[in-house]
Amino acid sequence: DSGVTQTPKHLITATGQRVTLRCSPRSGDLSVYWYQQSLDQGLQFLIQYYNGEERAKGNILERFSAQQFPDLHSELNLSSLELGDSALYFCASSQGYSEAFFGQGTRLTVV
Amino acid sequence: AQTVTQSQPEMSVQEAETVTLSCTYDTSENNYYLFWYKQPPSRQMILVIRQEAYKQQNATENRFSVNFQKAAKSFSLKISDSQLGDTAMYFCAFGDNAGNMLTFGGGTRLMVKP
Repeated sequence: DSGVTQTPKHLITATGQRVTLRCSPRSGDLSVYWYQQSLDQGLQFLIQYYNGEERAKGNILERFSAQQFPDLHSELNLSSLELGDSALYFCASSQGYSEAFFGQGTRLTVV
Repeated sequence: AQTVTQSQPEMSVQEAETVTLSCTYDTSENNYYLFWYKQPPSRQMILVIRQEAYKQQNATENRFSVNFQKAAKSFSLKISDSQLGDTAMYFCAFGDNAGNMLTFGGGTRLMVKP
């Protein structure tokens, strides 16, 4: 168990809908990262938050947004969903340096 | 920006034998971290081993060891006494010294055969 909790584990939704993925980082970790992994692909960095503030942005679509709350949990919001958004979405956390620990991921299926 | 390259999309090894996975990276930084993550069929990302660039000694974790060549920007993973449970995707990753996001390679799919 990495200590990073993601909910839900699975999500099936229709095109055009909006969903929210939730992440609780390891205790004491200030940084939260979101990654997207499409089928049999590598990990694409979406966005990073550090202690409540956005720190870095990767290839995140405008339809996607995220935030980190005062208790350090983070949410990734995906709107106007398309079939191509179907993927495994990972949250990871770290103390701001060194390695990141990953949650089990949320498998999103858009139908 | 950093880049990480894994040139072996797929590899296979017989159970109990040794296999080496390759990784090269490009960076202009002097202090950084390198990692190998394992992703088994469950799709969970599991940290296998880490290496600090300022350390000359290669990291070792049980059957897993790395060959870190800083000048050549090479970071290979050696798995000794391969086990069926080692079957997974292996990702090499680069982390800077400031805690910014990890940059991942494309992965190597390893199959351990009985």
